[in-house]
Amino acid sequence: AQSVTQLDSQVPVFEEAPVELRCNYSSSVSVYLFWYVQYPNQGLQLLLKYLSGSTLVKGINGFEAEFNKSQTSFHLRKPSVHISDTAEYFCAVSDNQAGTALIFGKGTTLSVSS
Amino acid sequence: SQTIHQWPATLVQPVGSPLSLECTVEGTSNPNLYWYRQAAGRGLQLLFYSIGIDQISSEVPQNLSASRPQDRQFILSSKKLLLSDSGFYLCAWSDPPGPKTGNTIYFGEGSWLTVV
Repeated sequence: AQSVTQLDSQVPVFEEAPVELRCNYSSSVSVYLFWYVQYPNQGLQLLLKYLSGSTLVKGINGFEAEFNKSQTSFHLRKPSVHISDTAEYFCAVSDNQAGTALIFGKGTTLSVSS
Repeated sequence: SQTIHQWPATLVQPVGSPLSLECTVEGTSNPNLYWYRQAAGRGLQLLFYSIGIDQISSEVPQNLSASRPQDRQFILSSKKLLLSDSGFYLCAWSDPPGPKTGNTIYFGEGSWLTVV
């Protein structure tokens, strides 16, 4: 079975600073990896995903993530954050078998201040 | 394009009352469907997922149930709500897992349930 650990529950940063949100996973099979963002009182929106191929994945809103198989990590990064990036971010993992669902981490709250 | 609708958006229910949350997906056929619950500080908990009509898996034993009366309709129910059922409920859909989609799931806007 897969599991996901988001290492930071809260990350406060100043506007225009870089940010990294950390995610580690465990799985005995090949996985798909995802990052979702949730703005207050809304559903989750897909930021980016890794299925195969290049380990550096670019997503929406200037975010990117790097898949590191040896370290079983999928950290999310942005070189310069905006106030509007304040939200909760979820890392998720799935294997490639039919009938399985995404398993989510507990989320990281990114707070961007001026 | 595909869309997902979930309702009601907000509801306040007394303890012991029944519950029905409904979700429909448009623009796709034979989707996988999911119900997640989000409680404060606890991330997303998978409650049910379905790969087809009458094919529903329960991930967490509790007083909730799910049904899929039609291909693109997914209903979350309870006969008697508990205080601990309060939370944010999210319906989601996906195409079957594969190298192109990777089991990417798409969420509805969510339903806030407060049990009082």
